[in-house]
Amino acid sequence: ETGVTQTPRHLVMGMTNKKSLKCEQHLGHNAMYWYKQSAKKPLELMFVYSLEERVENNSVPSRFSPECPNSSHLFLHLHTLQPEDSALYLCASSHTSSDEQFFGPGTRLTVL
Amino acid sequence: RKEVEQDPGPFNVPEGATVAFNCTYSNSASQSFFWYRQDCRKEPKLLMSVYSSGNEDGRFTAQLNRASQYISLLIRDSKLSDSATYLCVAPTDSWGKLQFGAGTQVVVTP
Repeated sequence: ETGVTQTPRHLVMGMTNKKSLKCEQHLGHNAMYWYKQSAKKPLELMFVYSLEERVENNSVPSRFSPECPNSSHLFLHLHTLQPEDSALYLCASSHTSSDEQFFGPGTRLTVL
Repeated sequence: RKEVEQDPGPFNVPEGATVAFNCTYSNSASQSFFWYRQDCRKEPKLLMSVYSSGNEDGRFTAQLNRASQYISLLIRDSKLSDSATYLCVAPTDSWGKLQFGAGTQVVVTP
């Protein structure tokens, strides 16, 4: 399935590094999402974009910075992360914000 | 009260048996409900939508109880491959966005 793709699939970074996660959806959807899932914990919604505008920032630290240049692409820029930020970062998209979401395979992030 | 609540389980189910579990939601105006399954270290995958009249897809049946504000998922003739965490999704009061529950773990044993 290639509806929603994410790169890289795995990332190891130091606390002083800057990196970006990329998500691309090929489904013609208008809404895109970033989720964080720590080990054995539920999904945490981080950001929602609808028609390329951020509609909500769910109290996420400023060291996470999203960017949505168009309706098919979503980035998550990372800088000065902490070890507790290590998690699976999932991107999802949906036709509208009340429709079912389709997930990418995720980026497994480890912060040393 | 959490907006979407699930029994975390695990539900240990013998192969071939039936298992059912519920998910409660707080937004009485909710219209869209879904069940997802998530395998260990993988992304959630849509299992089925939940319609007001219920929905059946093979061995899986989803029901909506608006009066008591819960949705249910029933799995018949459980297979080993049904072992996963099942996430329910319902709209929230905040921004009208969908909220994922924490998931119910199902373990099907031989």
